[in-house]
Amino acid sequence: DTAVSQTPKYLVTQMGNDKSIKCEQNLGHDTMYWYKQDSKKFLKIMFSYNNKELIINETVPNRFSPKSPDKAHLNLHINSLELGDSAVYFCASSQEWAGWFDGYTFGSGTRLTVV
Amino acid sequence: DQQVKQNSPSLSVQEGRISILNCDYTNSMFDYFLWYKKYPAEGPTFLISISSIKDKNEDGRFTVFLNKSAKHLSLHIVPSQPGDSAVYFCAATSGGSNYKLTFGKGTLLTVNP
Repeated sequence: DTAVSQTPKYLVTQMGNDKSIKCEQNLGHDTMYWYKQDSKKFLKIMFSYNNKELIINETVPNRFSPKSPDKAHLNLHINSLELGDSAVYFCASSQEWAGWFDGYTFGSGTRLTVV
Repeated sequence: DQQVKQNSPSLSVQEGRISILNCDYTNSMFDYFLWYKKYPAEGPTFLISISSIKDKNEDGRFTVFLNKSAKHLSLHIVPSQPGDSAVYFCAATSGGSNYKLTFGKGTLLTVNP
């Protein structure tokens, strides 16, 4: 059973389109994240939700809107896609235990290509 | 502003030898450090971590060393195996950051048989 699953794995779309990437975790974690890995290979945080509440919102264009219907799901909707949005998007989850944090569990990524 | 730096984009070692991957950080508020391993077309997977109250943590073939005064950490893999060939990311976080991980750019390790 996949712990953090993202769909789709690959997404090719035209500029100007609107698309969504879905993420689900079955680990019972309270916190979920979206990270973007750009062409320079940096992994940068975009958003984080804790129990459906937005707790981290980095400087990301308004065209990106996360939605967390419950703590097991964090979806990413992107409006008016641009060429520069092409990247690999990773979903992750984590859990804090009595002040201890044991890192993230990542999904396998969604490679978005905007043409 | 790169707060976590991995200055070696790649490293090649022979099977059975030691692999040493290095990482430097600039943010003195970081108090927890992690190493992730990533194979192509997969997500990063957690390898080993270290808290700033320690200077060494060991797990099997993997050891992480932390030098707080130099703001430097390193990952040692002994002995290296071909299956260790992957991209290794160093990451750091601080208490109160909502567990936001800041990643380095990664180092591609190739272990030659």
